Amino acid sequence: EIMMTQSPATLSVSPGERATLSCRASQSIRNNLAWFHQRPGQAPRLLIYGSSTRAAGIPARFSGSGSGTEFTLTISSLQSEDFGIYYCQEYNNRPPGTFGPGTKVDIK
Amino acid sequence: EVQLVQSGAEVKKPGESLKISCRGSGYKFTSFWIGWVRQMPGKGLEWMGIIYPGDSDTRYSPSFQGQVTISADKSSNTAFLQWKRLKASDTAMYYCARREAPISHVDYWGQGTLVTVSS
Repeated sequence: EIMMTQSPATLSVSPGERATLSCRASQSIRNNLAWFHQRPGQAPRLLIYGSSTRAAGIPARFSGSGSGTEFTLTISSLQSEDFGIYYCQEYNNRPPGTFGPGTKVDIK
Repeated sequence: EVQLVQSGAEVKKPGESLKISCRGSGYKFTSFWIGWVRQMPGKGLEWMGIIYPGDSDTRYSPSFQGQVTISADKSSNTAFLQWKRLKASDTAMYYCARREAPISHVDYWGQGTLVTVSS
C-alpha cells in the first residue's frame, strides 16, 4: 500500500505571501496526484489533478508540480479564502487511493 | 450542473444499522464511479471504497473491507453506504465523491453526512 506524507504539518502565512506545500509518496505514482482544499465545515474541493493541471474555476495563483514521489503545491499570493487544510491524494495504484495527512495553512 | 446530494445527519445507538445515500444529478450516473470518504472528528480524509453504478463493480480499502457495504441503485441514481452494526468509532462525517475511473481523480464532492453514534 502506498503511503503519503505531507510537510509541513502547519504553515503560517501572511495574506499576499507565497506558500509552498510538499507531498511525498512512498513509491512512484507517476503524475497521478491530486490536491484538495478543505475549509472548516465544508467538503473538500479539487484544486489540481495530474500533478499540475488546475481544475475548472481554480485561480492561476495555484500551481502544482512534481512526478514520481515528490510533489509541490504553490500558492503564489495567499488570499483570505485560501486558509484551511490542503490534502494530496494519489490515484496511481490499487483503487481507491490514499490521502496524505494534510497541511494546515493558517494566518500568521 | 453536476450535483451529489447526500442524505441528512443521523444520530444512532451502538449496534444499530444505518444506510446513508448520495444522489447524483446533472450527468450520466452509470458512467462514473462514486466513492465514499470518512472524516473522523478533527482528522483527515480516508477512502472507504468506490462503486461503478453501471455494473456494481465495488472496490474497498483494506481497512473498511467487511466493515461497511457500498451499493448503488441505477434507477434512482443513488449510491449507498451501509453499516449492519454501528460502533461509537463510526462517528464521523461521510462524503461521497465522483471520479471518472477507479484510477482517476475526484472531480465532485457531496456536501457530507454527519453520523453520530452514541449511547
